[in-house]
Amino acid sequence: QVQLQESGPGLVKPSGTLSLTCVLSGDSIKTDNWWSWVRQPPGKGLEWIGEIFHSGTTNYNPSLISRMTMSVDKSGNHFSLTLRSVTAADTAVYHCARATGYCASASCRYFDLWGPGILVTVSS
Amino acid sequence: DVQMTQSPSSLSASVGDKVTITCRASQDISNYLAWYQQKPGKVPKVLIYAASTLQSGVPSRFSGSGSGTDFTLTISSLQPEDVATYFCQKYNSAPRTFGPGTKVEVK
Repeated sequence: QVQLQESGPGLVKPSGTLSLTCVLSGDSIKTDNWWSWVRQPPGKGLEWIGEIFHSGTTNYNPSLISRMTMSVDKSGNHFSLTLRSVTAADTAVYHCARATGYCASASCRYFDLWGPGILVTVSS
Repeated sequence: DVQMTQSPSSLSASVGDKVTITCRASQDISNYLAWYQQKPGKVPKVLIYAASTLQSGVPSRFSGSGSGTDFTLTISSLQPEDVATYFCQKYNSAPRTFGPGTKVEVK
């Protein structure tokens, strides 16, 4: 059974750095899928954060690009998110997700697998 | 960036009713649109991709239509287990933006 599992600290201080890891089990991260982060503030909607391919190629949300970095560890079969200079507005449940493709175009991919999510609270 | 809107933001309908949710993109996204269902306290689950293709295992009462900028998710006969928030998402290019969601309740 293919699964994603997020891990990291649940509490980060304002102006600090949020660091999360998503481990993939049951499959290799070196497939044609892209690996993403999506967050959801309590009681609010979904925000796409960014994505990474196993080659290290990334796409980031322009609203977060100045503060974020994504990386992939092929040998460890996991990928990571770093978000710097956090504020209370970054408090959310952070999900990792797999974007699977259904055609040859790089545009043809949607989220078919999600991690359970981890609540990260930014507070002193 | 392409903005996604949804209407209504919430609705209440009776079991057996036909329910329609609309999603609009601020620019042409062809058919690169997915619909997700998120039940309270749960992870989003994909229902529809490519605007109208039903994900494997999803009940046939769910259907999607549209292309370009205007899309629709239809539940042909609302069931109690369909209580959830429904999100559209455009994925033709980054950022892969979600709509704000439509909360569906049963009367």
